[in-house]
Amino acid sequence: ETGVTQTPRHLVMGMTNKKSLKCEQHLGHNAMYWYKQSAKKPLELMFVYNFKEQTENNSVPSRFSPECPNSSHLFLHLHTLQPEDSALYLCASRQGAFSGNTIYFGEGSWLTVV
Amino acid sequence: QQQVKQSPQSLIVQKGGISIINCAYENTAFDYFPWYQQFPGKGPALLIAIRPDVSEKKEGRFTISFNKSAKQFSLHIMDSQPGDSATYFCAASADSWGKLQFGAGTQVVVTP
Repeated sequence: ETGVTQTPRHLVMGMTNKKSLKCEQHLGHNAMYWYKQSAKKPLELMFVYNFKEQTENNSVPSRFSPECPNSSHLFLHLHTLQPEDSALYLCASRQGAFSGNTIYFGEGSWLTVV
Repeated sequence: QQQVKQSPQSLIVQKGGISIINCAYENTAFDYFPWYQQFPGKGPALLIAIRPDVSEKKEGRFTISFNKSAKQFSLHIMDSQPGDSATYFCAASADSWGKLQFGAGTQVVVTP
C-alpha cells in the first residue's frame, strides 16, 4: 500500500464511450501526476497538478481531460479514445518542491480500448 | 526524444549473481537520479536515488554508480535473489517539481 489508490484497476471501453479514472492520495501531498505506461516504452508524463492547479500538459490529446478538485483527488476523464490509448495509467503524488522528494505511484488502471 | 537511455532491455541472472543496468543522459541540468522497481501488477516504487555530487551510493544489495563526466549512471544488484525479479526504471529530473524523465525499463529475471 503506497498511499495512492486508483480505481478502477481494469477498464474496457469502446471508442465512443466516456469513462473516468480516479486517483486518491492519503499522504497529504500537494502535487499529483498522471503517467501513461505502454509496453517497452518509457513512462510518459501526461499532466502535473500543483496545489490543484495544472502546471503541465505534456502535449496530451484533448480526448484525455484531467480534473483535480482538491489536492487529494485526481481524475482522468476519457472520451472517444483510440485503440493505441490502451495502456496502464499511473497516478502519482509528491510533497513539496524539492526534487529529491519521493514520487509515490499508485498501482495503476489498466485501460483497454476496443 | 528520449532523454534517458536505458540498457539492456532484459536481463537474466542466476541467483547470487550481479545484475547491472546502465543509463545514459544528455541534459546536464539533471540533478536527481532515482531508480524505480516495478513488480507485475504494481506501480513503480522508489528503490534508491543519487545526486550528482557523489559517485556512488549503496543501500543494502543495491548500489548506484554515477559518472558525471560520462553522463552515465548504473544500478548494481549484488547477490541477486529471485525476489528481485522485476522491471527496473532509471529516471532523471532537472526541476524542482519532479518532472521525471524515465528510461524504457529493464526486465530482470533471477533464476533459482
